[in-house]
Amino acid sequence: DVKVTQSSRYLVKRTGEKVFLECVQDMDHENMFWYRQDPGLGLRLIYFSYDVKMKEKGDIPEGYSVSREKKERFSLILESASTNQTSMYLCASSFPEGSNTEAFFGQGTRLTVV
Amino acid sequence: AQSVTQPDIHITVSEGASLELRCNYSYGATPYLFWYVQSPGQGLQLLLKYFSGDTLVQGIKGFEAEFKRSQSSFNLRKPSVHWSDAAEYFCAVGSSGTYKYIFGTGTRLKVLA
Repeated sequence: DVKVTQSSRYLVKRTGEKVFLECVQDMDHENMFWYRQDPGLGLRLIYFSYDVKMKEKGDIPEGYSVSREKKERFSLILESASTNQTSMYLCASSFPEGSNTEAFFGQGTRLTVV
Repeated sequence: AQSVTQPDIHITVSEGASLELRCNYSYGATPYLFWYVQSPGQGLQLLLKYFSGDTLVQGIKGFEAEFKRSQSSFNLRKPSVHWSDAAEYFCAVGSSGTYKYIFGTGTRLKVLA
């Protein structure tokens, strides 16, 4: 089975802190994604990566950056956390063919910024 | 613009009753269609997918969905709902040659005992 693992289920951080959310997949997928999920808004794409060191902005990249130094690992970075970044963050991965194949999701990280 | 609409934010059904969750999409190219389920506090799990061929697709947990090109719909159905089906359901569309999935805003299902 494909496994996408996010390093934390719950995080509480203070405003202004630098926050790292880590995601690891074990299926040798080329594509990896970070989504943000908020009630009534569904899933919104923050960033995705189609190869090591390659990244592209999604729909809501402001306030976030990403890092992909190894194929299996994709990190989301909040440079200076703010309360409006309190949300559920979901990591996903997929095969290289693109969005004509399914994405596999991690269990999510619920981040609270106080 | 590409979009996915799930018109029902909340649906409540009694255990044992049938279920239909609606999904409409707007997409110029041939769509690849997915239904995911999310239990509380969890990530998304794929229920089923449609790429081509038979327009009625079977998924896990007794779910099925029918692709209707003329109506731009991909509705999810289950003949008899179980209490464990209470969750949030997301419809999504993808396309060959792009990396982007477009998700609907979700339908939250409540099951009455």
